[in-house]
Amino acid sequence: GDSVTQMEGPVTLSEEACLTINCTYTATGYPSLFWYVQYPGEGLQLLLKATKADDKGSNKGFEATYRKETTSFHLEKGSVQVSDSAVYFCALRDFGNAGNMLTFGGGTRLMVKP
Amino acid sequence: GAVVSQHPSRVICKSGTSVKIECRSLDFQATTMFWYRQFPKQSLMLMATSNEGSKATYEQGVEKDKFLINHASLTLSTLTVTSAHPEDSSFYICSAREGADGYTFGSGTRLTVV
Repeated sequence: GDSVTQMEGPVTLSEEACLTINCTYTATGYPSLFWYVQYPGEGLQLLLKATKADDKGSNKGFEATYRKETTSFHLEKGSVQVSDSAVYFCALRDFGNAGNMLTFGGGTRLMVKP
Repeated sequence: GAVVSQHPSRVICKSGTSVKIECRSLDFQATTMFWYRQFPKQSLMLMATSNEGSKATYEQGVEKDKFLINHASLTLSTLTVTSAHPEDSSFYICSAREGADGYTFGSGTRLTVV
């Protein structure tokens, strides 16, 4: 079945540091890939997505490239801010999945200190 | 952009009572809605997939008689936790799907059963 594996947190960084959160996946078909962000006490917000190999999703300084050869979708940001502190979820939607639901990774908590 | 309204955001109820959570897509029609449960510091666990006008599809291990899902219209799905007990205390999140990859999440409901 489909699965998403992302690095365990928490990840603690100082402001303006570089961020990488690793995400790898297994899927039976050709999935779309997503990164969602969850702020404390809130639901999930779409951060970025990519729908095919070599696509790069980007938003608010965050980027992730769909790498089919390594089945990865790592999240990166060059300079994090305190306001980026949140939990980040990598997810996929497999077109072979009749239920059309998202499969989530375990989430990675990011803490940015001033 | 697409907006999903979920309420209540917080609810405290007595053990043995029932609680209804509503999820509305405000500016689009959602043929499919999803209900998730999230335990503290953990990822989202899919409970059920709800299609408008048909019975919900529950994930393995989720009691359909305890977690009643109704998707009566293209903009509204409800989750009713029946005869709630303290172990049902959790954070519940709904998601509505629009198009192939448009998943919008509600802001979540914190349920506390005392």
